[in-house]
Amino acid sequence: AQSVTQLGSHVSVSEGALVLLRCNYSSSVPPYLFWYVQYPNQGLQLLLKYTTGATLVKGINGFEAEFKKSETSFHLTKPSAHMSDAAEYFCAVTSRGLIFGTGTRLQVFP
Amino acid sequence: GAVVSQHPSWVICKSGTSVKIECRSLDFQATTMFWYRQFPKQSLMLMATSNEGSKATYEQGVEKDKFLINHASLTLSTLTVTSAHPEDSSFYICSAQTGQIYEQYFGPGTRLTVT
Repeated sequence: AQSVTQLGSHVSVSEGALVLLRCNYSSSVPPYLFWYVQYPNQGLQLLLKYTTGATLVKGINGFEAEFKKSETSFHLTKPSAHMSDAAEYFCAVTSRGLIFGTGTRLQVFP
Repeated sequence: GAVVSQHPSWVICKSGTSVKIECRSLDFQATTMFWYRQFPKQSLMLMATSNEGSKATYEQGVEKDKFLINHASLTLSTLTVTSAHPEDSSFYICSAQTGQIYEQYFGPGTRLTVT
């Protein structure tokens, strides 16, 4: 069965600092992996996805993630945080529909 | 392209009544649609999978008689919460799949409050 685990329900960084949100997956088949962002009282916005091919995936708003099969990880990074990045971030893997992680709330301090 | 809409965006209903939520793919045909629910400060949980013209497949623990799903066309799926109770208050989000499983597009969600 497919699953994802997000380490750290809350992450706080200073504006301009590196953002690292962790996601590990479990899948019995080659996974398709996703990162979504959700702002308060809004729906989901796709940041990026990995299907096949290049393991370093670049997304919107300067985010990127690297698929590491040996580590079963798909961590999300951004070199320099902006205040507007403060939101809830979800990692997901395909199954029936998508299986979502529990989410990581990113806070950005000035 | 690939826009999914939901209507209404928010609804308040009284306990015991039923409420219908629509999910539409506006510029593509969706072979499969999914319904999720999200409780406050929690993650999204898949409720059911619906394919056009066939019965929905519900996840374990989801009451199919309470959450009626109809996928009448390739662009419309509806979720009806029957005999709603306060514990059904939640954020309901649909997604539509165009072809491959990784080509899913999410609607903006519907916030249901049952009083």
